[in-house]
Amino acid sequence: DTGVSQDPRHKITKRGQNVTFRCDPISEHNRLYWYRQTLGQGPEFLTYFQNEAQLEKSRLLSDRFSAERPKGSFSTLEIQRTEQGDSAMYLCASSLRAVSYNEQFFGPGTRLTVL
Amino acid sequence: TQLLEQSPQFLSIQEGENLTVYCNSSSVFSSLQWYRQEPGEGPVLLVTVVTGGEVKKLKRLTFQFGDARKDSSLHITAAQPGDTGLYLCAGRLGSSNTGKLIFGQGTTLQVKP
Repeated sequence: DTGVSQDPRHKITKRGQNVTFRCDPISEHNRLYWYRQTLGQGPEFLTYFQNEAQLEKSRLLSDRFSAERPKGSFSTLEIQRTEQGDSAMYLCASSLRAVSYNEQFFGPGTRLTVL
Repeated sequence: TQLLEQSPQFLSIQEGENLTVYCNSSSVFSSLQWYRQEPGEGPVLLVTVVTGGEVKKLKRLTFQFGDARKDSSLHITAAQPGDTGLYLCAGRLGSSNTGKLIFGQGTTLQVKP
C-alpha cells in the first residue's frame, strides 16, 4: 500500500531562483491538494485538482506560484523568483471524490528554505 | 482571525495523565478530521467525524463532534510519551462545495516519561 509521496523532501535555494516540487497521490484518488505550513501553524490551503482540472486557488497563491496536474495523476508546484517568505513546508494530500466527507491523506511534505 | 480555534496551543504533561484538546468555531462544518503530525513529517489522519453528537474511540483517544457541528474535542486517557506530537483539527465548511480543509493552528503535546 503506497501512500502519497513527495519529492524532494528538502530544498534549499537562493532568493530569486525557481523551484519545482512533485507530488504522487494515492493511485485511485482523483482529488489532489496543495497546502503550505509555516512553523507553529496549521496547514493553509493553496489549491486543489479534481482529475486534471484545477478547481480552486487560494488568494495565498500569488502569480509566482503555479500548479499543474496534466494527466490527472501526479502534480507539480512551481514557485518562480522565490522570496524568503516562501520558506515553509509544502504539503500534498489526496482524496477520493466519491467519499463525501473528503478524507484527505497527506504526504511527508517538502521543506523549502529560501536563503 | 482563525476559523477553527484550538486550545490549548501547548500542553506538557506527565505520563499517565489525562488531557482534552478543544477545537471551536462559529461556523458549521460538514465533517471534521483530527490529525497528528510529528516534526518534519506530514499530518497523519486519526479520525473523521461527520454527524452532530458523534463519538468515536481509537484505543485511548476519544473524539467528539458537537451537536451543532461547530466544535470538537479530543480526549486522551493515560497519555504516553508516544502520544507526543502536534494535534490538528481540520474541517470542511458545511456551506462549501469545495474540497479544501480549514485547519486549526494545532496543539503541541509533550508527554514526559
